Amino acid sequence: SAVISQKPSRDICQRGTSLTIQCQVDSQVTMMFWYRQQPGQSLTLIATANQGSEATYESGFVIDKFPISRPNLTFSTLTVSNMSPEDSSIYLCSVAPRQGRRNTEAFFGQGTRLTVV
Amino acid sequence: AQKITQTQPGMFVQEKEAVTLDCTYDTSDQSYGLFWYKQPSSGEMIFLIYQGSYDEQNATEGRYSLNFQKARKSANLVISASQLGDSAMYFCAMSWPYSNNAGNMLTFGGGTRLMVKP
Repeated sequence: SAVISQKPSRDICQRGTSLTIQCQVDSQVTMMFWYRQQPGQSLTLIATANQGSEATYESGFVIDKFPISRPNLTFSTLTVSNMSPEDSSIYLCSVAPRQGRRNTEAFFGQGTRLTVV
Repeated sequence: AQKITQTQPGMFVQEKEAVTLDCTYDTSDQSYGLFWYKQPSSGEMIFLIYQGSYDEQNATEGRYSLNFQKARKSANLVISASQLGDSAMYFCAMSWPYSNNAGNMLTFGGGTRLMVKP
């Protein structure tokens, strides 16, 4: 099983500022995924981060608001830019086994609970 | 497009009893995976159980079992002998291949809040 370290675990930020969330995996993975969970809601995929190429964003999410880096096969960052109270959510990174391995789990980081004031 | 439906926003169960959490899905793909996750108040997502669309046997993991009915497109989670620590949000999710088959994205249902009564 992959171990994912995500930080910070929580933060309280002022509106208009930006926060970068880091996700470190203990093994090489091709794809990393970033999800948002708004209060009382389910998880929604923000984007897919593939090493060596630009992230692919889902409908409703744009790169200017949620820039993503993927410098290598074990690390990714998600930045929440120019934050507003509506960005208050839990943000989670996730990985899945690479092709050829039986996909029995999709692993998640511990999540970042963000509050924007 | 994939869609996951959890029709029970909240449920109560008596400690030590079994409980079934419903999940139905809609997809045109033949190859997919179904997952259940537990999310306690801390916010982390804890993997519970997985069922592949081609698996003939229902998945089991300790006190968790998945009642997979492919024709009905349902994947209900059964928790036996409920414990107080089982109180949490439970999410059903479906994985579907990314375009280059290099990993799977997940689509989540709306979740069910389970509350175990002592």
